Amino acid sequence: DIQMTQSPSSLSASVGDRVTITCRASQGISNYLAWYQQKPGKVPKLLIYAASTLQSGVPSRFSGSGSGTDFTLTISSLQPEDVATYYCQKYNSALVTFGPGTKVDIK
Amino acid sequence: EVQLLESGGGLVQPGGSLRLSCAASGFTFSSYAMSWVRQAPGKGLEWVSGISGTGDSTYYADSVKGRFTISRDNSNNTLYLQMNSLRAEDTALYYCAKDRSAVPAANNYWGQGTLVTVSS
Repeated sequence: DIQMTQSPSSLSASVGDRVTITCRASQGISNYLAWYQQKPGKVPKLLIYAASTLQSGVPSRFSGSGSGTDFTLTISSLQPEDVATYYCQKYNSALVTFGPGTKVDIK
Repeated sequence: EVQLLESGGGLVQPGGSLRLSCAASGFTFSSYAMSWVRQAPGKGLEWVSGISGTGDSTYYADSVKGRFTISRDNSNNTLYLQMNSLRAEDTALYYCAKDRSAVPAANNYWGQGTLVTVSS
């Protein structure tokens, strides 16, 4: 089975900082990679699919890149409302897998 | 407006069964795959099961294979998850989620979840 890892597991950054989260697949998954944001006590929200396509309504400060095994989610200018846990998800086969999550808060 | 409303959660003893339902509206239900995703208290997201738009193909996480059965009723726009031989580690908030296509894909809409607690 393909395993998904994320780094870091948590980070603290200042408002306005550029934040990058990495997701790695143990085998190649082409671009079948999505990113989700889950704020405390809330339902997960799709941010990006197909590794780099922004879901409708998601602010443009969020972007995704990568293909194969290495992917990144970037927040170009961190805002207070971005405090959340971020998950990657691979969906290239019958077995869908989420990464363990990266918790982002404000310094 | 897409709406997903889960029901059927509750307290059940180890070894027991529950059937979760997810009533969908606001989109052509049969055109999209659907998924169940769970989240144990204080933990991350875990994909549980998925089903194609037609219902012909079903998919399961290893942790639930042989115990859980996913199904759908396209005439009534409802998704189901039959959960048997429940274990304490199945305790979680269970989300119903709509996939972006007729086959497994990213989940662009989520329900609010239904809580399943397995305890004696």
